Amino acid sequence: NAGVTQTPKFQVLKTGQSMTLQCAQDMNHNSMYWYRQDPGMGLRLIYYSASEGTTDKGEVPNGYNVSRLNKREFSLRLESAAPSQTSVYFCASTELAGSSYEQYFGPGTRLTVT
Amino acid sequence: QKEVEQDPGPLSVPEGAIVSLNCTYSNSAFQYFMWYRQYSRKGPELLMYTYSSGNKEDGRFTAQVDKSSKYISLFIRDSQPSDSATYLCAMKGWDNAGNMLTFGGGTRLMVKP
Repeated sequence: NAGVTQTPKFQVLKTGQSMTLQCAQDMNHNSMYWYRQDPGMGLRLIYYSASEGTTDKGEVPNGYNVSRLNKREFSLRLESAAPSQTSVYFCASTELAGSSYEQYFGPGTRLTVT
Repeated sequence: QKEVEQDPGPLSVPEGAIVSLNCTYSNSAFQYFMWYRQYSRKGPELLMYTYSSGNKEDGRFTAQVDKSSKYISLFIRDSQPSDSATYLCAMKGWDNAGNMLTFGGGTRLMVKP
C-alpha cells in the first residue's frame, strides 16, 4: 500500500495564479483532511471531508476550495494564489470519523507564491 | 491565545539523555491526546496516544496526561540521534464527528552523538 500520496511535491506560483493539489489514499478510509503547516504554527486544518460526499470548513478555509472526488481522492484548489498561502500542505486520512484517533499523513506539497 | 501551546525549541540534548516534551491546553473537552513525530521534510506519524488522564509506556517513550492541570508530556529515555525530529502534540474531544485534531506548534528536538 502506498498510503497517502500527494502531487505535486513542490510548486512555485505567481500571485493570482490558480492550482489544484491532489491527494489520494488507498487505505479505504472514510475521512480526509487538508492542513497547512507554517513555522511555529503547527498544523492548521483548512478543510475536511468526514465521509464521501461531504466537506466542511476547518480553521483557515479562506482562499481555498476542496472537492471529494470519490472515497480515495480529495483535492485542494487555490483559485487566486497569494503570498500568504506560501506553506507546506499536508493531506491526511483516517478510518472512521469520530472514533479513530490516528490520522495518516502524506509527504506534503511545498508551495511558494511569489 | 492558542488552544494548545507547545514550546517550539529547538531542544538540543546529548545522546542518552532523558528528554521531556510538554504541551498545555485550554479546552477541557479534550479527551484524546496524541504525540506525532515529524522528520525533516516528511509528514507527521503517530507515535503515541492516551485517552483521558494517566500514563502510557511504549519502549523508550512514556506519555503522561494530567487533565486537572491541562498538561501533557512525552518522555524519551536513552535518547538517540534517530530521535531528532519535530514532535507535535495533538488533541481531540469525545464528541467530534469530523475527527478533527487540534495540534500544538511542535517542538524541534536535536539529539547529538
